[in-house]
Amino acid sequence: AQTVTQSQPEMSVQEAETVTLSCTYDTSESDYYLFWYKQPPSRQMILVIRQEAYKQQNATENRFSVNFQKAAKSFSLKISDSQLGDAAMYFCALGCMEYGNKLVFGAGTILRVKS
Amino acid sequence: SQTIHQWPATLVQPVGSPLSLECTVEGTSNPNLYWYRQAAGRGLQLLFYSVGIGQISSEVPQNLSASRPQDRQFILSSKKLLLSDSGFYLCAWSVAITSGAHNEQFFGPGTRLTVL
Repeated sequence: AQTVTQSQPEMSVQEAETVTLSCTYDTSESDYYLFWYKQPPSRQMILVIRQEAYKQQNATENRFSVNFQKAAKSFSLKISDSQLGDAAMYFCALGCMEYGNKLVFGAGTILRVKS
Repeated sequence: SQTIHQWPATLVQPVGSPLSLECTVEGTSNPNLYWYRQAAGRGLQLLFYSVGIGQISSEVPQNLSASRPQDRQFILSSKKLLLSDSGFYLCAWSVAITSGAHNEQFFGPGTRLTVL
């Protein structure tokens, strides 16, 4: 079975500062992929960033980057220069083709941005 | 470009009444389709997924069922709603599994269901 754990129910960050959201996962598969999704108050799920397990280089998307530690099964999200619009629930998700491309989601982390 | 629609956006139903939530995808063919439920302040629970017309897999035993009558249409149903069926229902699609493809899922705007 595949599991995803987000141990931080809630985080706060000052505007323009940097924050890191934690995620650990477990899978017995070697070919898998990881995502971070953002869910703002509108509840629309938005893909933030993706990482294929076979890629050693950490993914980056503008102010968002990940620290992918495959051996430790850790996949943290770093948000730089935080903006008020970053306030949302963030979900870490794990999927693999062996499981039919289904995603397993963590419980989520609420991010609050202070002005 | 691809878009995904869900309706209705909000629904209030009495216990014991039937349910039909609809999801349609535009701009792609033969997508994988998914139904999730999200309880308040919680993560997403996968309910059903489909890899083709008439092909439905259920992830958890429950009061709900799903159907895929057309390639890009996915319907979530119930014959008799329970209080515990209340929640936020999200439909998602992804490309069919192919080697090298990104397998992220794209979500619809969701339906907020309240069962009274």
